Amino acid sequence: NAGVTQTPKFQVLKTGQSMTLQCAQDMNHNSMYWYRQDPGMGLRLIYYSASEGTTDKGEVPNGYNVSRLNKREFSLRLESAAPSQTSVYFCASLEGLRRDEKLFFGSGTQLSVL
Amino acid sequence: KQEVTQIPAALSVPEGENLVLNCSFTDSAIYNLQWFRQDPGKGLTSLLLIQSSQREQTSGRLNASLDKSSGRSTLYIAASQPGDSATYLCATFKAAGNKLTFGGGTRVLVKP
Repeated sequence: NAGVTQTPKFQVLKTGQSMTLQCAQDMNHNSMYWYRQDPGMGLRLIYYSASEGTTDKGEVPNGYNVSRLNKREFSLRLESAAPSQTSVYFCASLEGLRRDEKLFFGSGTQLSVL
Repeated sequence: KQEVTQIPAALSVPEGENLVLNCSFTDSAIYNLQWFRQDPGKGLTSLLLIQSSQREQTSGRLNASLDKSSGRSTLYIAASQPGDSATYLCATFKAAGNKLTFGGGTRVLVKP
């Protein structure tokens, strides 16, 4: 049981380049999330998908787009990377049906934009 | 907008001492509160989840309490060990959009 899988684990981009971070979960979860983690800032929600077919902005959506490709997969795209997007990105999921559910995280993608 | 705060940002204790980690939140209309552990370079692992109707949860040496009226939760780790060294984060869960809001975390170092 793999849980939440993120790819790639590391990436270096030049300013202006684009890339897509991939996330897949094998737990049949309804809700999926993208967070970024920066020193001193904690985890901040970028976008989330409460259920297949829906996506919504989180706290810091500017410069990002997302696609909920199917129930398993939720991708995050940087169209024109900026140094301010240097961060560690985490994907997470939960079933989204009950109040007592725990959130499951991927192992993260460390992104550097030069 | 929910704000979650964890103070202190870092904590160092000798092995064997009990750890007390604090979490405060501004909006008490939550479904649950979760405590997570994060090791360096790794993702987050859920430790304990307290539902809004509960006062505390226990798992082994870990005990988490919740006081919604005062907007506070506390994570107790009994008889700390060097393996407990990590960053601990709390997060509140609200029904709207199934969103979690995280605190900044407390980085814990347990010295042998």
